[in-house]
Amino acid sequence: AQKVTQAQTEISVVEKEDVTLDCVYETRDTTYYLFWYKQPPSGELVFLIRRNSFDEQNEISGRYSWNFQKSTSSFNFTITASQVVDSAVYFCALSDVYNFNKFYFGSGTKLNVKP
Amino acid sequence: DADVTQTPRNRITKTGKRIMLECSQTKGHDRMYWYRQDPGLGLQLIYYSFDVKDINKGEISDGYSVSRQAQAKFSLSLESAIPNQTALYFCATSDSDRETDTQYFGPGTRLTVL
Repeated sequence: AQKVTQAQTEISVVEKEDVTLDCVYETRDTTYYLFWYKQPPSGELVFLIRRNSFDEQNEISGRYSWNFQKSTSSFNFTITASQVVDSAVYFCALSDVYNFNKFYFGSGTKLNVKP
Repeated sequence: DADVTQTPRNRITKTGKRIMLECSQTKGHDRMYWYRQDPGLGLQLIYYSFDVKDINKGEISDGYSVSRQAQAKFSLSLESAIPNQTALYFCATSDSDRETDTQYFGPGTRLTVL
């Protein structure tokens, strides 16, 4: 069965600190996609990144970086030098390519960045 | 303009009322989805549609119905709203090309059933 676990319900940091959001997934498939979405206080869901299961290269986009490790079934998200605008709920998701790309979402991690 | 729009953005209604939430997209995607989000939970899939003639139930379809009026329009109805349907509802779209099958979400509709 497919499952995504975000064990950190809520994290609070002070501005400029680095923070890592954990995502652990379960799947028996060899082909799948992993995603991160951001939900700011305004409520919309913003797509951040997609990674396929065959690409374990880490990715960096500005202050954001993602670490994908198949050996530990993890797809962690790090924000470097956090800012107040990073305050949001972050969701990790797994898509099942053998089942119409059905998405399985984690329960989300709420990040509070304090000035 | 936003690629995926939802109307209304906020709605307060009473138990037993019929409610329709609408979703429109200009992304040209063939797949559309309706999700609900409850506080502290992830998103749960209500219905999904691969094209105008293909509609499928998701995990929590009871109490809901949908209509795909056109490729760009997908509406969700609550035939007789009840308080535990109070939630944030999201519409999403994706392209069936597997390499780009990312789901893109609308801004959400906050529904309160009194």
